[in-house]
Amino acid sequence: KAGVTQTPRYLIKTRGQQVTLSCSPISGHRSVSWYQQTPGQGLQFLFEYFSETQRNKGNFPGRFSGRQFSNSRSEMNVSTLELGDSALYLCASSLGETSGVYEQYFGPGTRLTVT
Amino acid sequence: AQSVTQPDIHITVSEGASLELRCNYSYGATPYLFWYVQSPGQGLQLLLKYFSGDTLVQGIKGFEAEFKRSQSSFNLRKPSVHWSDAAEYFCAVGYTGTASKLTFGTGTRLQVTL
Repeated sequence: KAGVTQTPRYLIKTRGQQVTLSCSPISGHRSVSWYQQTPGQGLQFLFEYFSETQRNKGNFPGRFSGRQFSNSRSEMNVSTLELGDSALYLCASSLGETSGVYEQYFGPGTRLTVT
Repeated sequence: AQSVTQPDIHITVSEGASLELRCNYSYGATPYLFWYVQSPGQGLQLLLKYFSGDTLVQGIKGFEAEFKRSQSSFNLRKPSVHWSDAAEYFCAVGYTGTASKLTFGTGTRLQVTL
């Protein structure tokens, strides 16, 4: 079974631009979560989508948004990029059928650099 | 608010030696606990998890972890470390109701000397 895939793997953007990252979950997984990883703040939860609806949200500004499609693929968007948005963005998928806790499987991440 | 503490930022062990990485969680409800490993430039790989039942859980690559409720700990162990185990290790906790929102520790970087 194929793992979680993320595209692109690397991205360089300029301050003020916007960016869209994509995540394809493991087949059969309906929950997709996004995390930001930086050296200073570590791994932080952005949001989770299940069945095309945002089910959980972390403490990030509204510039960070996401969506999920009917095939469970998810995208996250960051508008008006700031230097501090430079990070590894990780996507994770799980079965997530209820609000219980499921093991999450992570993709390789998208390395975003904002200049 | 839930939190996870990994007190050791960096650990160096010799190949063949035993390993224990510490993890403490802080919250009142029943935790769901995970250990993940991350190699440079890669995503996170799940090593093992604790949901309920036997407090000693076995994972992949010869790792095990023991849940101790009285100490709010979930330490990761391996009896004999291999050079390929060099990586960063993250402990994480989740709770029913917050479901997929995992809270991660700051990580422990493991260096293995030959």
